[in-house]
Amino acid sequence: KQEVTQIPAALSVPEGENLVLNCSFTDSAIYNLQWFRQDPGKGLTSLLLIQSSQREQTSGRLNASLDKSSGRSTLYIAASQPGDSATYLCAVRGRRDDKIIFGKGTRLHILP
Amino acid sequence: GAVVSQHPSRVICKSGTSVKIECRSLDFQATTMFWYRQFPKQSLMLMATSNEGSKATYEQGVEKDKFLINHASLTLSTLTVTSAHPEDSSFYICSARRAQGSTDTQYFGPGTRLTVL
Repeated sequence: KQEVTQIPAALSVPEGENLVLNCSFTDSAIYNLQWFRQDPGKGLTSLLLIQSSQREQTSGRLNASLDKSSGRSTLYIAASQPGDSATYLCAVRGRRDDKIIFGKGTRLHILP
Repeated sequence: GAVVSQHPSRVICKSGTSVKIECRSLDFQATTMFWYRQFPKQSLMLMATSNEGSKATYEQGVEKDKFLINHASLTLSTLTVTSAHPEDSSFYICSARRAQGSTDTQYFGPGTRLTVL
């Protein structure tokens, strides 16, 4: 059974810093991995989707990497801004059962 | 990009009543839709997989008689919470699978917040 773990659970950093969020998964038979942002009381905003054959994806100040063999992904946020404050969720779509399993998220707070 | 809508976005009901939540794929056909539940400060948990024209597949621990799922068309799946109780208060999110050519992606709806008094 796929398990997705995100570290840290919460993170507070001053504005302008670069930061890395970590995601690990137990079953490497994945179709893709996706990073989402969720603001309090809101739905999901898709940030980056990495197919199993890809190593990384970039969008603006965000860069996500995938190491399928080791079961790890990182989300790198450059030059953080207060508007980046949110919960970031990592989600893995399994190849065996086609289900998307979410991690518990990292609550990010950027200090102005 | 593909759009998935949910209705209503927010609902408050009395304990014992039933509530229906709709999930629609607006610009594509979805043979498979998924329903998730998110309790406060928790992550999303898959409840069930809904396949058009067939019975839904429920995850372990999810009561199929309490959470009725109907996927009557290629663009609509409904989740009915029967005899809702305060512990059913949660954020319910659906996703729809779009398989087109070499692309196979799931798109998420905006969610429905259910509060049972």
